[in-house]
Amino acid sequence: AQSVTQLGSHVSVSEGALVLLRCNYSSSVPPYLFWYVQYPNQGLQLLLKYTSAATLVKGINGFEAEFKKSETSFHLTKPSAHMSDAAEYFCAVSQNTGFQKLVFGTGTRLLVSP
Amino acid sequence: DAGITQSPRHKVTETGTPVTLRCHQTENHRYMYWYRQDPGHGLRLIHYSYGVKDTDKGEVSDGYSVSRSKTEDFLLTLESATSSQTSVYFCAISEPPLGEAFFGQGTRLTVV
Repeated sequence: AQSVTQLGSHVSVSEGALVLLRCNYSSSVPPYLFWYVQYPNQGLQLLLKYTSAATLVKGINGFEAEFKKSETSFHLTKPSAHMSDAAEYFCAVSQNTGFQKLVFGTGTRLLVSP
Repeated sequence: DAGITQSPRHKVTETGTPVTLRCHQTENHRYMYWYRQDPGHGLRLIHYSYGVKDTDKGEVSDGYSVSRSKTEDFLLTLESATSSQTSVYFCAISEPPLGEAFFGQGTRLTVV
């Protein structure tokens, strides 16, 4: 079975500071990994995805994530936070064979202060 | 944006009544999903479909049923709504080989 753990239900940063949102996964088969963002009262939007090509993945809005198999991690980073980055972020895992059902973490709310 | 429409967007219903939520896609994706989102739980899979008339249960399927008679439509039915089913429901679609999901705007359901 696959699972995702997101450390920290809330993360607070100042505008211009580094953003680091943590995600660890568990999977018995090679995984596909995703980060999604949800703005208030909206659906989820794909930020980036890892599909076994490059381990450093770049996404939209300046975010990137690095797949580290030895640490079973897929942390999301952004060098400099903007006020517009305030949202909830979800990490998700699926398997790269067979039926690709997404399993989500519980989410991390990013708060950005001026 | 992926062509996914959920209806209704908001609904208030009484305990014990049946409720049907509709998801309509224009992308011709094979897979469709229903998730519920609750604070502290993230998104949990209710049911999913891997083709017309092919459906299966997710992790929180009790009290829910689904139907998919056409590729583009996936219906979620609460047979007899309970207050514990008050939630935001999201429909999603995906297509192999990468399995990335695209989401609708959600339906906020309140059971009183």
